[in-house]
Amino acid sequence: QITLKESGPTLVKPTQTLTLTCTFSGFSLSTNGVGVGWIRQAPGKAPEWLALIYWDGDTRYSLSLKSRLTITKDTSANQVVLTMTNMDPIETATYYCAHRPSGICFGCFDFWGQGILVTVSS
Amino acid sequence: QSALTQPASVSGSPGQSITISCTGTSSDVGGNNFVSWYQQHPGKVPKLMIYDVRIRPSGVSNRFSGSKSGNTASLTISGLQAEDEAHYYCSSYTINSAWVFGGGTNLTVL
Repeated sequence: QITLKESGPTLVKPTQTLTLTCTFSGFSLSTNGVGVGWIRQAPGKAPEWLALIYWDGDTRYSLSLKSRLTITKDTSANQVVLTMTNMDPIETATYYCAHRPSGICFGCFDFWGQGILVTVSS
Repeated sequence: QSALTQPASVSGSPGQSITISCTGTSSDVGGNNFVSWYQQHPGKVPKLMIYDVRIRPSGVSNRFSGSKSGNTASLTISGLQAEDEAHYYCSSYTINSAWVFGGGTNLTVL
């Protein structure tokens, strides 16, 4: 059974750096084709894809946020970390990590964490 | 990457069928067959309903179906039920090896 859980601060100040950790179980990030992505959703808005890291360490970023994002993995600890610099109040949102499977379902996220609501406010 | 275009809202009566469209460009929806659809009830996590345009994950009702023509993908829900009332989001893999979501459609079951 695949599960993911996000952890990190629920309140950050404007201009601060946000660091979120995704701890997962039920799969290995060393399996060919597997990835873990981060998606955020502002209150009442659509999801927005942020970044993804593949089993081989390859990374992908939203073009509009690329300069502010870093995604890394610790395969042995079953964790993926996302950092986002220079946070702004408009980036208050629920941040999700999600599993991108290998093989089938190439472009989808089939399992999501419960999400963590991050508020950006002074 | 601009968000995919979906109607803000659709509605239907129980038992009816509805279709939600998702329009992108040749750089996303029209450029591959990696369109997915997610259902989200209020306060809940998005749930994958369709992937690769038309494939249902295990456990998803066969009342849900997907299709695509050119730059527009569609989600059809037949035999509407009260439990189908939710927000629906499309998503596509893009030519830039990224993902883009639609703006979302609020489905109301009358």
